[in-house]
Formats: sequence, C-alpha cells, structure tokens
Amino acid sequence: AQTVTQSQPEMSVQEAETVTLSCTYDTSESDYYLFWYKQPPSRQMILVIRQEAYKQQNATENRFSVNFQKAAKSFSLKISDSQLGDAAMYFCAYRSEDSNYQLIWGAGTKLIIKP
Amino acid sequence: DVKVTQSSRYLVKRTGEKVFLECVQDMDHENMFWYRQDPGLGLRLIYFSYDVKMKEKGDIPEGYSVSREKKERFSLILESASTNQTSMYLCASSLRGIFGNEQFFGPGTRLTVL
Repeated sequence: AQTVTQSQPEMSVQEAETVTLSCTYDTSESDYYLFWYKQPPSRQMILVIRQEAYKQQNATENRFSVNFQKAAKSFSLKISDSQLGDAAMYFCAYRSEDSNYQLIWGAGTKLIIKP
Repeated sequence: DVKVTQSSRYLVKRTGEKVFLECVQDMDHENMFWYRQDPGLGLRLIYFSYDVKMKEKGDIPEGYSVSREKKERFSLILESASTNQTSMYLCASSLRGIFGNEQFFGPGTRLTVL
C-alpha cells in the first residue's frame, strides 16, 4: 500500500524568505499524481500545485514550485518570497493513476510566517 | 467558482445521539467524499460516493454511514455518536476520472461529542 510521509510537523520562516516543505512517499507504481494542498486557519482546503509522475519537468505556480525526485520518491514544496497569507497547514497527497478517487494523505506540516 | 458547503461549522452532541452532517456542492461533480481530520493523522477517508445512491467504504467507515439521494448532496450519519468521533469532518467533491484530480473542499464541521 502507498504511504505518504511529511517529516516536519511544523516549520517557520521569515516573511519574504524561502522555505521548503518535505514529502516522501512509498509506491511500487510508475504512474501516479502528487499534490500539495493548503489549509489556512479556519478556511477551506485548496489545491496549491500538482505533479504528474510521467512529467520530468517540475511544476510551478507563481511563488510555489516543487522538486520532484521520482527515483528518490521525494516531492518537496518550495515557497519563495513567503507572505503572511502563506501561513497554513500544508498537506502532501498521492493518487494512483488507477484510482478514480483515492488520495493518500500525509500528516501535514504547519507553516508559520514570522513578520 | 466551485462551492462546497457543509451544514454546520461547529456541532456539539451527546454520546448516543444520532448525528447528521450534510454537504452540498454546486458544480455537478460525480464524486463526493467524507474525510475525518485529526492532528498528526492527516485526512482519512470515511466514505466515497461516485454517483447517486452509490457508495464505497474508505479507510475508517466503522461507526458511520452515508446517504446520497441527489447528485449535489452527500450526508454523513453517525448512528450513535461516541466520544472518539470528536473530530473535524471535511466534505469534498471532484469530477470523475482524470479530470477529478482536484478535490474541492467544504469549510469543515468541528464535531464535539460529550
């Protein structure tokens, strides 16, 4: 069975600096999808970025980018120019290409932004 | 914008009560989900529905049941609430298939069982 591990329960970063959140996963599959979701305090969970395993190029969305290392089964999220609004719980998730729905979730990382 | 709403943000119930949590989405999504979120455990899938009247058990279905009579509405039922069901409950929806890569979430219901 697939598993997703986020080894950092909490991270903090100074405003305007860069922070990297780590995520590793375990799978025997070759085709799958990876996601980072953000859950701000008392607000809805939203998708930040996604990566298809067959794509070698790392996904980017404005200040958010990933470092996808397929062989190492690593999928880290880099947030550049951190802003106060980035403070949230961040969850890494995995989806098998064969699955219509099942996301396997990491435990989450709480990101604190210091002004 | 996709909108997923949940009937209550906060709910306090007593042990043994029957509890209904309702979720409504307005984007005609086929898939709907109920998750439970606990600190340090991430999100755990309770039940999933891929169509009206269809349901599949997730990872932790014990003590819960669901109902999907209409496409836009997915209800989670705690037949006899227990203190270990105190948690945050999140509803989500998505399109079917590869287009369903993004799940859209409701604001959550924080349930306390006394």
